[in-house]
Amino acid sequence: RKEVEQDPGPFNVPEGATVAFNCTYSNSASQSFFWYRQDCRKEPKLLMSVYSSGNEDGRFTAQLNRASQYISLLIRDSKLSDSATYLCVVKAETGNQFYFGTGTSLTVIP
Amino acid sequence: NAGVTQTPKFQVLKTGQSMTLQCAQDMNHEYMSWYRQDPGMGLRLIHYSVGAGITDQGEVPNGYNVSRSTTEDFPLRLLSAAPSQTSVYFCASSPWDIRTGELFFGEGSRLTVL
Repeated sequence: RKEVEQDPGPFNVPEGATVAFNCTYSNSASQSFFWYRQDCRKEPKLLMSVYSSGNEDGRFTAQLNRASQYISLLIRDSKLSDSATYLCVVKAETGNQFYFGTGTSLTVIP
Repeated sequence: NAGVTQTPKFQVLKTGQSMTLQCAQDMNHEYMSWYRQDPGMGLRLIHYSVGAGITDQGEVPNGYNVSRSTTEDFPLRLLSAAPSQTSVYFCASSPWDIRTGELFFGEGSRLTVL
């Protein structure tokens, strides 16, 4: 079983739409959670960390449900520049490994 | 501001050839790692290091060697390339407290093994 699973999409949404991505993780000992963004043929870059109480950064909201081992990312008022692949990442408290999901592809359409 | 620098960006090898992917960072990060990215598989950890002289295996270490003689450099060696090693390779570094999650990636090295 994969450590992190994501719906690969693709998600095609119009500008201004709200879109949500989900991610599940298998290791209940996972303690740190993140969303990364990867543009086509580029390296991944940290979008935001995910905190237990949920957190927001502008149009982006991340939620964590430890009981269900589930992470989400909500993007409001989608922009063309949001088109990318979004990677869910988890890390256990012990060890030094980050586990990446396969990514969810988003295309925002004019 | 260089950050993480990988070379080469592109490489074509024949089966059985050896090569080294170079990775250097100028941020004084203790943690460095190598990932490979394949379609439908996500990023998978090959090897990582938490400091000079210390390396450890990740999820998919077979066929790869690493060393960490300095804080700045973390080369990845393919001893005898196989077509299954065709992939995009990313080097990433992070400050020692990697709970913050900020992995800084290089631009990637695209390797094709014929």
